[in-house]
Amino acid sequence: KAGVTQTPRYLIKTRGQQVTLSCSPISGHRSVSWYQQTPGQGLQFLFEYFSETQRNKGNFPGRFSGRQFSNSRSEMNVSTLELGDSALYLCASSATGRLNTEAFFGQGTRLTVV
Amino acid sequence: AQSVTQPDIHITVSEGASLELRCNYSYGATPYLFWYVQSPGQGLQLLLKYFSGDTLVQGIKGFEAEFKRSQSSFNLRKPSVHWSDAAEYFCAVGAEYGGSQGNLIFGKGTKLSVKP
Repeated sequence: KAGVTQTPRYLIKTRGQQVTLSCSPISGHRSVSWYQQTPGQGLQFLFEYFSETQRNKGNFPGRFSGRQFSNSRSEMNVSTLELGDSALYLCASSATGRLNTEAFFGQGTRLTVV
Repeated sequence: AQSVTQPDIHITVSEGASLELRCNYSYGATPYLFWYVQSPGQGLQLLLKYFSGDTLVQGIKGFEAEFKRSQSSFNLRKPSVHWSDAAEYFCAVGAEYGGSQGNLIFGKGTKLSVKP
């Protein structure tokens, strides 16, 4: 079966703009989590959605937001981009979002803010 | 607060040599522990996980890890490294909220290089 699909793979934006990233989970999976990966901070949890509801949120400013649709596809939005938002954004899908259920990661979206 | 430490930023081993990647965690309860691997330009792939039971867990690609509660460690091992194992390895601890969901807290990663 198809894996987790993230689009676009690469993105270049200007400071102050906003951006929307998309994640299509594995068919049947209802949980989607988002992570930010940077060389300095490593992998950090952004938020998790399950059945269109945000269940869990990491320690990021309100400029970072997300949503999940009825087909479980998820989008994350970053408004008023800053240079420090340059990162690889990974999403992970799992059937339940519970830790004893394997999470499958997409290849990520590489965002560069100039 | 939960945390994960991977003391080695970069390790180089010769092909065919054994490998041990270190991971120490801080967590109040019995942790969920994971090892992931990331190849350049790729997402994360789960190598193995520990929830409970036998403290020596086997994973994919010939990897294993041992949970040692007394040392708060979950080190990853492989008896004989292949050139294709060159990648970055991440240890993670699961932080669970209310028993119904959770997120992963990752270490900073260890980059593995393999010499021919």
